[in-house]
Amino acid sequence: DAGITQSPRHKVTETGTPVTLRCHQTENHRYMYWYRQDPGHGLRLIHYSYGVKDTDKGEVSDGYSVSRSKTEDFLLTLESATSSQTSVYFCAISEGLATYEQYFGPGTRLTVT
Amino acid sequence: AQTVTQSQPEMSVQEAETVTLSCTYDTSENNYYLFWYKQPPSRQMILVIRQEAYKQQNATENRFSVNFQKAAKSFSLKISDSQLGDTAMYFCAFMGHQGAQKLVFGQGTRLTINP
Repeated sequence: DAGITQSPRHKVTETGTPVTLRCHQTENHRYMYWYRQDPGHGLRLIHYSYGVKDTDKGEVSDGYSVSRSKTEDFLLTLESATSSQTSVYFCAISEGLATYEQYFGPGTRLTVT
Repeated sequence: AQTVTQSQPEMSVQEAETVTLSCTYDTSENNYYLFWYKQPPSRQMILVIRQEAYKQQNATENRFSVNFQKAAKSFSLKISDSQLGDTAMYFCAFMGHQGAQKLVFGQGTRLTINP
């Protein structure tokens, strides 16, 4: 299994509070991604990173920001959480080479009340 | 923008039967990659099989095989001799050939294998 961890694994927070989710990898992979999973939508890309301090928006980036100051860590921040951001969040990594395979973390279940 | 559609929200079959999950996609690209991911109740995303669009031969992995129809933009997954451990959500996903290798997922199909 690829070395990807996410923290926290579960979190309940109140509307309007800031929340930061962490993704940590031990594989030294170049690409890192944040997805959210909601019923009826599959997984949708929030933000991704193609190197340290290099990030870009995905399909559903509104209300989220990211940072990557080290190769191994990719942070997802909800500046002011809303109930619509209740979801399961997955981090993924990829070497960026010919296999084109993404390896997923275990997910974080976030509930915004 | 690419889209991926899985038209079967739920399917249920008996153990040892063969089941086919459907997936269609829309893209203007000629080179790309298609994937099937499995998500068991543990929530872990597991890659089942991968297909490169430039390869005419359908990919196979043990009991799992695909029927890739490029002109029809169809990418179905066949599971032979289904097992109880195949019970899971299955997601079809598309990745363009260039850029940051972003995945676009379908809505998923919930597959239940009954004993």
